[in-house]
Amino acid sequence: EAGVVQSPRYKIIEKKQPVAFWCNPISGHNTLYWYRQNLGQGPELLIRYENEEAVDDSQLPKDRFSAERLKGVDSTLKIQPAELGDSAVYLCASSLKLNTIYFGEGSWLTVV
Amino acid sequence: AQSVTQPDIHITVSEGASLELRCNYSYGATPYLFWYVQSPGQGLQLLLKYFSGDTLVQGIKGFEAEFKRSQSSFNLRKPSVHWSDAAEYFCAVGARGSTLGRLYFGRGTQLTVWP
Repeated sequence: EAGVVQSPRYKIIEKKQPVAFWCNPISGHNTLYWYRQNLGQGPELLIRYENEEAVDDSQLPKDRFSAERLKGVDSTLKIQPAELGDSAVYLCASSLKLNTIYFGEGSWLTVV
Repeated sequence: AQSVTQPDIHITVSEGASLELRCNYSYGATPYLFWYVQSPGQGLQLLLKYFSGDTLVQGIKGFEAEFKRSQSSFNLRKPSVHWSDAAEYFCAVGARGSTLGRLYFGRGTQLTVWP
């Protein structure tokens, strides 16, 4: 069974530029999460989807971050414009009901 | 407010020695409890989880954890550490419900293993 797939793995951009991350969850997993992990910290939830619906986006900086999950499968997280403080690892994860949350390998963003 | 405390930022042990990583949480009710491991450049891998029942939980790679309600703790243990266990370990908690919602993570404990 394929795991959670994320792309790109690494991205370096200049500040004020846009960037997008893509996530393909494990097949059949209805819950999808985007977490951000700053250096030396644990992950923090940005947004959680149940199927197509964003049910928890309270920590998503909506002035510059946006996310979508079309057809309840793949998801895209966008930052526009990026700031220096957005440098972090963006982790996508998925789960099915009360089963384990599986994480992808992450998208490493450096804003210069 | 929900919080997870991992008091040890960095632990160094010798290969073959025993290991205990501490985790304390603050939560309104008994949450779901997790330990994840992250190797450099990788995502998080679940080691074990506690939902209910036996408070001593067995996980992968020879790890176990014990839930102690009175101490709000969920410490991770391994009787004999291998060099391949060197990684960062995260404790996490989540609310009980029909699905797994937001997980709150500690800041992690970096484990170094001496040969």
